[in-house]
Order: sequence, then C-alpha cells, then structure tokens
Amino acid sequence: TQLLEQSPQFLSIQEGENLTVYCNSSSVFSSLQWYRQEPGEGPVLLVTVVTGGEVKKLKRLTFQFGDARKDSSLHITAAQPGDTGLYLCAGERIGSSNTGKLIFGQGTTLQVKP
Amino acid sequence: NAGVMQNPRHLVRRRGQEARLRCSPMKGHSHVYWYRQLPEEGLKFMVYLQKENIIDESGMPKERFSAEFPKEGPSILRIQQVVRGDSAAYFCASSLTSGDIQYFGAGTRLSVL
Repeated sequence: TQLLEQSPQFLSIQEGENLTVYCNSSSVFSSLQWYRQEPGEGPVLLVTVVTGGEVKKLKRLTFQFGDARKDSSLHITAAQPGDTGLYLCAGERIGSSNTGKLIFGQGTTLQVKP
Repeated sequence: NAGVMQNPRHLVRRRGQEARLRCSPMKGHSHVYWYRQLPEEGLKFMVYLQKENIIDESGMPKERFSAEFPKEGPSILRIQQVVRGDSAAYFCASSLTSGDIQYFGAGTRLSVL
C-alpha cells in the first residue's frame, strides 16, 4: 500500500496550459515537501508546507497543504517546457519520532510540449 | 560550498559481487539518509544514520545490506552478493539536524548483470 498517493502519475500537456498534481494520504503529516527530479539527478526541494491550510507560491507554482495535513496539491500556471520533469511529494508522518524519515509518493511525470 | 556528493555515479556489478556506495554529506551535516528508487517509482527510505550510529534501519532488507557512517570519511551503503533485483538508483541525503530539510545527492545507479 502506498501511504502517499500521487495523481496523476503521467501528464502530457501543451505549453501555456495549467495543471494540478495531487498528493493524498489517510495519515497525518507533520510537514509535506515537494521535490522536482530531472533524469539522472537527485530530487531538488521546491517547497515545504507545515501548517494546515498553508498556501505557498513560487513564481508560477502554487502549493497548498490540506487543513487536516493529510493532503497537498501543486498547481502550475501557464506551464512551460522547462517545467518538464518528475514531481515528488514527500512527508514525515506524525509519530515517526521526528527522525526525518521521509515517505515519498510514486511521483508525477510531467511533459510540457512546446 | 559543495552539496551532497555520491560516488560512483554508475556502478555495474555481476550477480554475487559486492557493491559499495559512498556518500559525503554537505559540510557541517552529521545526519545521513539512504533511499532507493526503482524505475518509475518514488523513493523508498532505507536507513538513517548519524555519525557512528544507525538510528533507523527499518527500510533496510534484513540480509546482504548494511550501512555505516564512521567518525571520519563518507557514509557507505554496502550490498553483498548482489542480485538483479538490487538494480536501482540509490540516493543519499543529508541534513543539519534530525527532521531538518534533506539535501539529496545525484545518486548512484547500480546495474546488476
């Protein structure tokens, strides 16, 4: 069973379109992070959300943490080919002894066509 | 200010051989995490170490896998008698304190022939 479910798993869109990626769980998380991973490289942190209901913006990317801290979303406005990559959500579950052990979603592969 | 360094970037082993993966954390970081990524999947936690101590190894297979983070030198993930199913990308991350932001290395891609 996947503790963090990401959807969709694959997304192919045209440049200029908007998209939303979802990260859902039945567990409560102390925080959730979103990473972007390029082929052949390691994940690079985009944002961390900590407070239920929190919204963070990073240029054309908007991240939201659910009120109950069980889910998160990533919205990209006017996608560009440079946004192409693997997007991963990850978090540390409440009660995991604050060791930093991250649980990852299975990822969303985004392709933005020019 | 170098980031997390992993080497080798690519490693090819035949079944039954040993694989040793190295990770040098960011300067000043004493917390190291190892994750494994299978094709088309997210990362799975393997082990969390501080200097000279294994804190959480709940994601490590019980046999053939071991990890260390000595007082001096890099953290080592060791896989003995590799099998084809061990083929994956292995990522190391480091953090300043427990539960702090984790910075990832570029990974070691292990191929078992």
